[in-house]
Amino acid sequence: DAGVIQSPRHEVTEMGQEVTLRCKPISGHDYLFWYRQTMMRGLELLIYFNNNVPIDDSGMPEDRFSAKMPNASFSTLKIQPSEPRDSAVYFCASRGQGLETQYFGPGTRLLVL
Amino acid sequence: QKEVEQDPGPLSVPEGAIVSLNCTYSNSAFQYFMWYRQYSRKGPELLMYTYSSGNKEDGRFTAQVDKSSKYISLFIRDSQPSDSATYLCAMSAPGGFKTIFGAGTRLFVKA
Repeated sequence: DAGVIQSPRHEVTEMGQEVTLRCKPISGHDYLFWYRQTMMRGLELLIYFNNNVPIDDSGMPEDRFSAKMPNASFSTLKIQPSEPRDSAVYFCASRGQGLETQYFGPGTRLLVL
Repeated sequence: QKEVEQDPGPLSVPEGAIVSLNCTYSNSAFQYFMWYRQYSRKGPELLMYTYSSGNKEDGRFTAQVDKSSKYISLFIRDSQPSDSATYLCAMSAPGGFKTIFGAGTRLFVKA
């Protein structure tokens, strides 16, 4: 398996633009997590899905953020409109049954100018 | 007060030293205690985890949990330059899905 795949790996955009981050989880994993990592706030859970259903989105910072998982092999995290304070590394992780099966993707580095 | 406190370091040690990394926490509901390693510009990878209290050993790594003190530790024996990374502690309540991470400690092991 190729592991968790995220795209794009780097994104530079201007304030006000829409940003879409993509994630392909490991096949067979039924949990998918979106995290954000910044120097100031560290690694924070934004939202997680179980069997494509959002279970807890209490970490989503504002209504500008939305996440979807239309099928078991694809998820998106969208920011509209983007702001400079959204600049961060966004990680997707997937997990099967058991904590030891959790793997993180390589992350998307987002810079909002 | 943050739910999980971790000294960000950096911590610099010579090769072969024993490294001790620590975290404290405030939420007594936490049952899963995890340590992740994150190399520069990479995603975190799970090193090991324990459920509830006690010790767990995996090769050169030992994780300890003291729930009475709300204190967890990771020990690295015979440290190697390849251990140079950021180590994040993480915790969650039963179920282990909503994970709270510490700030991470940057470790440098000098050859």
